[in-house]
Parts: sequence; C-alpha cells; structure tokens
Amino acid sequence: AQSVAQPEDQVNVAEGNPLTVKCTYSVSGNPYLFWYVQYPNRGLQFLLKYITGDNLVKGSYGFEAEFNKSQTSFHLKKPSALVSDSALYFCAVRDSSGGGADGLTFGKGTHLIIQP
Amino acid sequence: DTAVSQTPKYLVTQMGNDKSIKCEQNLGHDTMYWYKQDSKKFLKIMFSYNNKELIINETVPNRFSPKSPDKAHLNLHINSLELGDSAVYFCASSQTSGRASEQYFGPGTRLTVT
Repeated sequence: AQSVAQPEDQVNVAEGNPLTVKCTYSVSGNPYLFWYVQYPNRGLQFLLKYITGDNLVKGSYGFEAEFNKSQTSFHLKKPSALVSDSALYFCAVRDSSGGGADGLTFGKGTHLIIQP
Repeated sequence: DTAVSQTPKYLVTQMGNDKSIKCEQNLGHDTMYWYKQDSKKFLKIMFSYNNKELIINETVPNRFSPKSPDKAHLNLHINSLELGDSAVYFCASSQTSGRASEQYFGPGTRLTVT
C-alpha cells in the first residue's frame, strides 16, 4: 500500500521569506510524486511532479520541489513567499508499477499562511 | 473553456434521497476519477474509470455508483443518502497512457445531507 505524510497542519511564513512544505511518502515500487494547491472553495490545481531524472523539479508560480530517495521525501519550496501563496497544499503519490487507472494517494494537506 | 466541469456546485438534500452529480471533461483524456473530500479536507479516491476497467476503492459503499455514458463524462449516482455522505466531491481526469500523468480536477460539488 502507498501512503503520504505531511507532518505539518500549518506553516506560517513572512512575506518575502523562503518557504518549505514537507512531504514524505511510502510506496512499494518507484514513486511518481505530485504537489497540488487548493484555494478556498476551489478545486485542486496541479503545481509540479517528479517522475524521474533531476531531483529538483520546477513548477508553476515559482514553486519547486526536491526529491530525496534516501529520505523518501518530496518537500515543496519557494525562495520568496507571496501573500497570494496562502492556500492548502497537498502532496500525492502514485506507484510507478502496476496497471490500470488507479487514483492518487493524497496527504492530509498543509495550510500555508503567508503573513504580510 | 473549463477543462473539467461539475454540476451542480451545491446540492442540499434529505436523508434517503437518491441524487446524481455530473462531470464532464473536454481535455480528451481517457480516464476519469471521483474523489471525496471530508470536513477535515482529507481527500480519498472513490473510483477510477476508463474504457477498459473500473477500479473501486473497497471502502466506498455500494450506494455509490459511477456511470459513464461516453469518454468525456463520468457521473456519480448516490442512492439512499446518509448524513455521513456530506462532503465535497471532486471529479478529475488524466491520460493514462502514462502513469505519470497529472490529474486535472473539477471545481467540486458540495453535498449536504440533512
């Protein structure tokens, strides 16, 4: 079985400071990893994904994430936070093996609050 | 143009009723999904469906059933609604030619059962 852990319910960062939202995962095979953002009363928006290759993945709105196989982590980062980054962030995983159209396994989400 | 759309956006109904939520995607994807987001914002897969197979999360009650009239639509039917069914339901789609494909989500349907 696959699982995702987001250890922080909430992360508070001052505007302009770097931010990190943590994610660790567990899969039996190789992972495909995703980050999504959810604004209030909206659906989930795709930010970025890791499939293979370079461990540093760049995505939308200046976000990036670093894949660390030894630590089974995929932390989301941004060098300089904006107030508009305040939202709920989800990490998700899918095992690269297996067939069929199975869904993503999500973490419980982390509220990111950027203070002006 | 909206990539993944759902109707209705809000649905308020009484216990015991039967209701449906519609989902349409115009991305040309071959796989669609239904997720449930509970009051604590936890997201869980309910169904995955393409023209070859339906994968059902074993925890989903059989009162829930997906119906796909064509590749662009996956509707969710719920029979004998219960209070615990209150949640936000998200439809999503992806192209499963690669398991690495990201999923695109609809705006959600907030179901309230009274």
